Amino acid sequence: LAKTTQPISMDSYEGQEVNITCSHNNIATNDYITWYQQFPSQGPRFIIQGYKTKVTNEVASLFIPADRKSSTLSLPRVSLSDTAVYYCLVGGVVTGGYNKLIFGAGTRLAVHP
Amino acid sequence: ETGVTQTPRHLVMGMTNKKSLKCEQHLGHNAMYWYKQSAKKPLELMFVYSLEERVENNSVPSRFSPECPNSSHLFLHLHTLQPEDSALYLCASSQEGGDDGYTFGSGTRLTVV
Repeated sequence: LAKTTQPISMDSYEGQEVNITCSHNNIATNDYITWYQQFPSQGPRFIIQGYKTKVTNEVASLFIPADRKSSTLSLPRVSLSDTAVYYCLVGGVVTGGYNKLIFGAGTRLAVHP
Repeated sequence: ETGVTQTPRHLVMGMTNKKSLKCEQHLGHNAMYWYKQSAKKPLELMFVYSLEERVENNSVPSRFSPECPNSSHLFLHLHTLQPEDSALYLCASSQEGGDDGYTFGSGTRLTVV
């Protein structure tokens, strides 16, 4: 499974756009890139998933360059409630049909008033 | 409510007790997972069940015993635990070939005294 590297922490202010970049140099051909958000004492919540180029949903955008060795999660106009830990994961369906995702340390985002 | 329900939310047990954690998913997923999250550590994958068969056991001590009686239910039986086993235990489910990642429950906060 490809290892991911992302900043330990980031700070931002309400209303700003936040971009969190993740490196995954050893990503495999069949790996997807997935981002999760976790609040204290809760389970992680799926944010967005992509394979290449750009994916956008109602919460965030995910930018993936052509070489797929990195990805950037973009959160538009953050609010205080976006303060959380954000995880970048790389993985895919393995033999047997299930998805095996290994979590790293994540990026602790703090949004200030 | 995410569609994955874990009970109890909090559990305090002595080192000689036997207890069980329960996870139930109402999403029709065919894979279920147990993760452990200790303070200031990344989530650790413990067990994976795919189509009700255990397919991963990541060197978890035998004092943790999983059970998956059907595709909707997952248990983690606990006995003779140690204080260092105190953590947030998270259950997740996913669908083979699905593109919406894992759905996590809210977790059980376990304290071993």
